[in-house]
Amino acid sequence: GAVVSQHPSWVICKSGTSVKIECRSLDFQATTMFWYRQFPKQSLMLMATSNEGSKATYEQGVEKDKFLINHASLTLSTLTVTSAHPEDSSFYICSARGFYDQPQHFGDGTRLSIL
Amino acid sequence: DQQVKQNSPSLSVQEGRISILNCDYTNSMFDYFLWYKKYPAEGPTFLISISSIKDKNEDGRFTVFLNKSAKHLSLHIVPSQPGDSAVYFCAASEEETSGSRLTFGEGTQLTVNP
Repeated sequence: GAVVSQHPSWVICKSGTSVKIECRSLDFQATTMFWYRQFPKQSLMLMATSNEGSKATYEQGVEKDKFLINHASLTLSTLTVTSAHPEDSSFYICSARGFYDQPQHFGDGTRLSIL
Repeated sequence: DQQVKQNSPSLSVQEGRISILNCDYTNSMFDYFLWYKKYPAEGPTFLISISSIKDKNEDGRFTVFLNKSAKHLSLHIVPSQPGDSAVYFCAASEEETSGSRLTFGEGTQLTVNP
């Protein structure tokens, strides 16, 4: 149980385009979803926390208008990287947490490469 | 300000021996700690957790020890197996106040040699 699916797993696109990443909890309802970013050989850095039906809470230094997060249902959250540039290239990972349930369960991540 | 630190970027052990991965934290508000295992190009997989009211939690080959006074936790894997080779992250949260936001350490690459 507790499977989180993230799609796509890999995306390459041109600078200036917008990219949408989906995160789905397949067998549980996720009241809270989290979006992380990981640079090579570094830790996972929390970008934002989203609760179903409300606005996401962004970590300090994360641009809200750049990284749009939508958590429209208890099983789906999306991260849209708007007008992506090469410096946005990274590994993005989502996680989901159910009702009163630790721990967070992670998706397999999305490798984003901006040319 | 790195609130969770894993000072050993890598660890190599022989199959069958014990692997000990260490983690230190600075935030005294952390009261819930987790270990995750991560393979390349995959998301982290939850291994084991411990609440600050305990000093030990065991699950099969995995045991986590917490020393609150030293702000230190460790993960013991015994016996180690080649399939345990992965990056191990420790993470911490202020369960009561922060909605389970996790702060991760930098990770330790464990290699178990056959």
